[in-house]
Amino acid sequence: DIVMTQSPDSLAVSLGERATINCKSSQSVLYSSNNKNCLGWYQQKPGQPPKLLIYWASTRESGVPDRFSGSGSGTDFTLTISSLQAEDVAVYYCQQYYNTPSFGGGTKVEIK
Amino acid sequence: QVQLVQSGAEVKKPGASVKVSCKASGYTFTGHYMHWVRQAPGQGLEWMGWINPNSGDTSYAQKFQGRVIMTGDTSINTGDMELSRLTSDDTAVYYCARGYSDLLYSQHWGQGTLVTVSS
Repeated sequence: DIVMTQSPDSLAVSLGERATINCKSSQSVLYSSNNKNCLGWYQQKPGQPPKLLIYWASTRESGVPDRFSGSGSGTDFTLTISSLQAEDVAVYYCQQYYNTPSFGGGTKVEIK
Repeated sequence: QVQLVQSGAEVKKPGASVKVSCKASGYTFTGHYMHWVRQAPGQGLEWMGWINPNSGDTSYAQKFQGRVIMTGDTSINTGDMELSRLTSDDTAVYYCARGYSDLLYSQHWGQGTLVTVSS
């Protein structure tokens, strides 16, 4: 099974500043058939189900603000919030769907 | 709009089984896999498995093999997840989620069902 490791576990960022979350997979999640990485990012606010933000490592889901962006390839990925807003306080999870899906441990984002 | 409405909270005793239902609407039920994901209190997300409602094919995480059964009823657009031989470690919120076609990410989520296992 592919193990997903996120870092940091938590981070505090000032409003309007950049937040960066890292995710590493134990093996490549690059799907050779379409040359896309099978990596998604989810946002979960307290008491709510997760919400899909990004799939194929860098494709924003419909309706997701463009301050959220995903990058990376192979085994190393990043979610960036370019200008943190108060409503972005949440836990963020990466997930690989290359084979049996698995999630990272989550990163809690707070306001500094 | 896509909606996934789950059944209500459950309290079960150790050793019992629980069945959680997920009623889908707003899309073609047979066109997308349904996934089940759980989250223990204060913990992260744990993928449990998927079902292809069109064929009935399933795939379960190794951890739950032999203890979980996922089914789909296309006549009422509902997916079910039954987990047996419950222990306190199974206390969690259980989510159903719709994938995108046969891709294994979860595009839409149910509201979650709290299952509490306690003697």
